[in-house]
Amino acid sequence: GAVVSQHPSRVICKSGTSVKIECRSLDFQATTMFWYRQFPKQSLMLMATSNEGSKATYEQGVEKDKFLINHASLTLSTLTVTSAHPEDSSFYICSARAFREGEAFFGQGTRLTVV
Amino acid sequence: SQELEQSPQSLIVQEGKNLTINCTSSKTLYGLYWYKQKYGEGLIFLMMLQKGGEEKSHEKITAKLDEKKQQSSLHITASQPSHAGIYLCGARRSNNNDMRFGAGTRLTVKP
Repeated sequence: GAVVSQHPSRVICKSGTSVKIECRSLDFQATTMFWYRQFPKQSLMLMATSNEGSKATYEQGVEKDKFLINHASLTLSTLTVTSAHPEDSSFYICSARAFREGEAFFGQGTRLTVV
Repeated sequence: SQELEQSPQSLIVQEGKNLTINCTSSKTLYGLYWYKQKYGEGLIFLMMLQKGGEEKSHEKITAKLDEKKQQSSLHITASQPSHAGIYLCGARRSNNNDMRFGAGTRLTVKP
């Protein structure tokens, strides 16, 4: 299957700072990328959908000014957690899809810890 | 709230036993996906079902989608410790839709 690379896999940051997470499709062009968040012992919750070259669509309850998503190219989307707080600590996973009918491939996730 | 109802939430079985995990939606689905995850790691794609009545198997895992495309089951035959993990069903309601997930089933296989 196709490969989606997510970086970093783990990050620890101080409260108040910003953290950027990258999601890259390595062997295909991703027209759409998705960002999910997972709390301990819970399922994946969709945060936002981004299409290359346009603004991301955020799910209800997700602050777009806090979770900045950029999908500037067909192989890269970034999620920036701005002014991070301890409650932002979580596991974040991206997925990428080449075309509407296609399967979505997942990155390995990023564990963010805000101290 | 979850759009997909997944059951059971957790399951503990003895090695060698069979087990079934269910995933139900109140709406007709475009595609139903099964993934396995070890918590804190990425998702491993297992199977995708799109046609009503479809059934797929891979090694000891079989997944079925009902005719109405609202319910799917994942069956593991002769479970092994390597099957332990979190099983997630994901679904899309149209070919333009994002994927939503069930709450997950945490499977423990006792040797």
